[in-house]
Amino acid sequence: GNSVTQMEGPVTLSEEAFLTINCTYTATGYPSLFWYVQYPGEGLQLLLKATKADDKGSNKGFEATYRKETTSFHLEKGSVQVSDSAVYFCALSDLGGGGNKLTFGTGTQLKVEL
Amino acid sequence: EADIYQTPRYLVIGTGKKITLECSQTMGHDKMYWYQQDPGMELHLIHYSYGVNSTEKGDLSSESTVSRIRTEHFPLTLESARPSHTSQYLCASTGRTNYGYTFGSGTRLTVV
Repeated sequence: GNSVTQMEGPVTLSEEAFLTINCTYTATGYPSLFWYVQYPGEGLQLLLKATKADDKGSNKGFEATYRKETTSFHLEKGSVQVSDSAVYFCALSDLGGGGNKLTFGTGTQLKVEL
Repeated sequence: EADIYQTPRYLVIGTGKKITLECSQTMGHDKMYWYQQDPGMELHLIHYSYGVNSTEKGDLSSESTVSRIRTEHFPLTLESARPSHTSQYLCASTGRTNYGYTFGSGTRLTVV
């Protein structure tokens, strides 16, 4: 079956530090990959996505590259801000595997301090 | 601007009460989902629907029920609330799964 593994949090960084949140996946077909962000007290918002190998998704300074050879989709940002403090979820959609549901990772909490 | 709406945002209710959490979307999406999210953050799929009059149970067993009489509306009902139902409930929808989901803002339910 499909699965998504994220690095455990919380991740605590100083403002302007470099961010990497690791995400690896297992899928039976050719999945699309997503990063969602959840701010305190809110629902999830789509941050970025990639639909095929070697695609790079980017938004708000965040980026992630779909690496089929390593089955990974790591989230990166060059300089984080306090306002980036949130929970980040990696997810996949595997229509080729017969599913119409997203598979989510367990979430990684990011705390950015001044 | 949200295209998927959940009401209420917060609800505190006594044990044994019947409650309905509302979820509506204006995007014409045929697929809709309910997730339960614990304080530990992990999302658990409890119900989903692929169209009118179609509902299925998700990966996590839940005492709640859902209905899908109209495309835009996917309410969740608890016949008799218990403290173990205290959680955040998130509704989501999509027209095409490989485009991802759109989520509502959630309902935070507390049963006392």
